[in-house]
Amino acid sequence: DIQMTQSPSTLSASVGDRVTITCRASQSISSWLAWYQQKPGKAPKLLIYKASSLESGVPSRFSGSGSGTEFTLTISSLQPDDFATYYCQQYKSYRMFGQGTKVEIK
Amino acid sequence: EVQLVESGGGLVQPGGSLRLSCAASGLTVSSNHMSWVRQAPGKGLEWVSLIYSGGNTYYADSVRGRFTISRDNSKNTLYLQMSTLRAEDTAVYYCARDIDDGSGTIFTYWGQGTLVTVSS
Repeated sequence: DIQMTQSPSTLSASVGDRVTITCRASQSISSWLAWYQQKPGKAPKLLIYKASSLESGVPSRFSGSGSGTEFTLTISSLQPDDFATYYCQQYKSYRMFGQGTKVEIK
Repeated sequence: EVQLVESGGGLVQPGGSLRLSCAASGLTVSSNHMSWVRQAPGKGLEWVSLIYSGGNTYYADSVRGRFTISRDNSKNTLYLQMSTLRAEDTAVYYCARDIDDGSGTIFTYWGQGTLVTVSS
């Protein structure tokens, strides 16, 4: 199975900060990677698919990059609505989520 | 508008069984690849099972042999039959539209989730 390792597990940041979350796959997944945002009590929301494609309706401050085994999610200027937990997920072989990164208010 | 509505969750004893349903509107279950994803209380997301539009099914190691994914085309509904339930199966279970072959998007649509609690 392909394992996904996300870091950091928690991130403290302020409004306006540039935030970067990293996701590593245990083997190459090409660009078959998605990023989700989840708020308490809600279903996850797709942000990025195929590593760098922005889902329709998602603000352009979110961006994804990487291929193979190393990926990043960047929020260019953190907004109050962005405090949430973020997950990466590979869909090259079956599906596997990373452990999540909680973005907290600093 | 796509809507996925899960039902069937509840309290069940260890070793028991439960069937979850996911009723779809605005989306044809049989024409889409569909998955179940779960989230234990305070924990991360865990993919559980996938059924392709062609009928092939796949399972996470943690549930293989105990859970069965299926669909009823006439009811446009996805199911997850869960048996030999364990305490570690306690979670909110979501159904979601899996990969869209044309665009490459995945898990664009989710239900609201249904809570399964395995406890004596």
